[in-house]
Amino acid sequence: QSALTQPASVSGSPGQSITISCTGTSSNVGGYDYVSWYQQHPGKAPQLMIYDVSNRPSGVSNRFSGSKSANTASLTISGLQAEDEADYYCSSYTTSSTWVFGGGTKLTVL
Amino acid sequence: QVQLVQSGAEVKKPGASVKVSCKASGYTFTSYDINWVRQATGQGLEWMGWLNPNSGHIGYAQNFQGRVTVTRTTSISTAYMELSSLRSEDTAVYYCARSINEAFDIWGQGTMVTVSS
Repeated sequence: QSALTQPASVSGSPGQSITISCTGTSSNVGGYDYVSWYQQHPGKAPQLMIYDVSNRPSGVSNRFSGSKSANTASLTISGLQAEDEADYYCSSYTTSSTWVFGGGTKLTVL
Repeated sequence: QVQLVQSGAEVKKPGASVKVSCKASGYTFTSYDINWVRQATGQGLEWMGWLNPNSGHIGYAQNFQGRVTVTRTTSISTAYMELSSLRSEDTAVYYCARSINEAFDIWGQGTMVTVSS
């Protein structure tokens, strides 16, 4: 399975909203509602932010939301804060009973 | 609290094997799958394989078929990932992660594996 496609970088000012896309195929993103999103700060392990396309784990801010249309999933962060600056990765279950990650997106808060 | 604690950093020569451990605590080890994910320096995440600690069922990414083996010892709530025929491109941080609802909700702290002659 090839990696899911994410933009290499996105940026926004504090208080603004940004959206990160994650494009796959009908064999992964489009075939299941098993898309998840992870935040990773430098030198740290990834942290789950969204699962099953649009669900937030307990403790994750409601400024984070997820959605999906066909083969593309999206993560939206509203009310950007300095602490949101990090790398973000999407992941999807696949028809091969495996998982695949996106290449990652670096979010810069200006 | 729920956590996964991994073994320490390793330095290996090309052609050797490495075995990384992942000890679970704070939950019933056999109730959730364990996955292995790696990340080369400055690169993205790469899923390697999974293990059902209850049944022992396993699955591997095609890229690692024949080189990776995941196992577990349920009596000590520990999962293992062994990677053989190491090459320089295998230098990376290796993570174990618990999966629930087809997502990885708890991650280990990572184990740095360096392959160098």
